[in-house]
Amino acid sequence: GAGVSQSPRYKVAKRGQDVALRCDPISGHVSLFWYQQALGQGPEFLTYFQNEAQLDKSGLPSDRFFAERPEGSVSTLKIQRTQQEDSAVYLCASSLSNRGATTEAFFGQGTRLTVV
Amino acid sequence: AQSVAQPEDQVNVAEGNPLTVKCTYSVSGNPYLFWYVQYPNRGLQFLLKYITGDNLVKGSYGFEAEFNKSQTSFHLKKPSALVSDSALYFCAVRDHGGSQGNLIFGKGTKLSVKP
Repeated sequence: GAGVSQSPRYKVAKRGQDVALRCDPISGHVSLFWYQQALGQGPEFLTYFQNEAQLDKSGLPSDRFFAERPEGSVSTLKIQRTQQEDSAVYLCASSLSNRGATTEAFFGQGTRLTVV
Repeated sequence: AQSVAQPEDQVNVAEGNPLTVKCTYSVSGNPYLFWYVQYPNRGLQFLLKYITGDNLVKGSYGFEAEFNKSQTSFHLKKPSALVSDSALYFCAVRDHGGSQGNLIFGKGTKLSVKP
């Protein structure tokens, strides 16, 4: 497709369950970002990939969060032992350039995670 | 540390009237500023950006934004609002202290345009 695709769109997990969220960026886009958007808040940065290299994971809230992009295209955000505070919309974004400061990012529709 | 403030949680405008959604920023270094719009159950859509040059930036759907360095503001504007402009608007600044390209977002402003 032409845009950033995320799956699933909605996920309900029982507390303690592991989840995996998938992001398919725009073809050819070098940079990939994950953000977490809590209800009523702006998105907050989680992690950044340049091709397959994870260059920044400073926003990951705990060691239960793990992201990978092994072949430099599709990325997966994994959350282990989910907690209620993990409930949020998880947004993936990609941009064309690896000189990302001035390049706009394109966002997917997000995955709404609800932990019960 | 970089930050963005959107002082209004909600802006109400009548259709056909001009609209302004406010944004102020705090950065160390040159500010790279962005506006995104979020419709219900949709992802964030890029509207416009300021990197350098002309202080008035024109973007998608008839929106524009004015960069004001002395007031550290980047307000979003449109001369004539449409009901279809009703959505959540986010101002963002590039984080110079982080990786190349991640954004710091404001809390968002809900724009409601009434017929």
